[in-house]
Amino acid sequence: NAGVMQNPRHLVRRRGQEARLRCSPMKGHSHVYWYRQLPEEGLKFMVYLQKENIIDESGMPKERFSAEFPKEGPSILRIQQVVRGDSAAYFCASSPPGVTEAFFGQGTRLTVV
Amino acid sequence: AQRVTQPEKLLSVFKGAPVELKCNYSYSGSPELFWYVQYSRQRLQLLLRHISRESIKGFTADLNKGETSFHLKKPFAQEEDSAMYYCARLIIQGAQKLVFGQGTRLTINP
Repeated sequence: NAGVMQNPRHLVRRRGQEARLRCSPMKGHSHVYWYRQLPEEGLKFMVYLQKENIIDESGMPKERFSAEFPKEGPSILRIQQVVRGDSAAYFCASSPPGVTEAFFGQGTRLTVV
Repeated sequence: AQRVTQPEKLLSVFKGAPVELKCNYSYSGSPELFWYVQYSRQRLQLLLRHISRESIKGFTADLNKGETSFHLKKPFAQEEDSAMYYCARLIIQGAQKLVFGQGTRLTINP
């Protein structure tokens, strides 16, 4: 089991472009979580998804951010019209149903220039 | 709001000295608490969880409900313990999610 895979590891975008961050959960895991880590801050919960469902998006900014976890393929965190303040490390975690331990990916470091 | 507080952003101790990383949580029911560690250039990984009451890499953490704390301790620090440490609490309000503290960067000096 390869673990939670995130790609790309590093992503540079110009202001106004779109950023797409991918997360492939561990095999057998149907729950995916996205977290954001701003410089000098801790991990902040963004969204919790199960296959084809958004369960909790209370941490997602109201505009420009969206997330999906389709039946097939990775979970995608999409940021439209990026701004400098979106520069951060974005972490994905996954867990199987009914298990409270979450396994983390190595993160995607987004830099907006 | 459910909060996890790690009051120290940075902690530096000498090799062989005792280590204590502080974590406090806002009180609500029976918390399920965790410590995660992130070594340099590696992914965040679970270090220990309070319900298992185990010791990992010499670290222990005891839940103190009276003080609403879950401090992480190790009697003799080693250089390889240098890392970022995050305290986290599982919140179950319909769905479940981990709420993290801000993290403490632990540096062990030789």
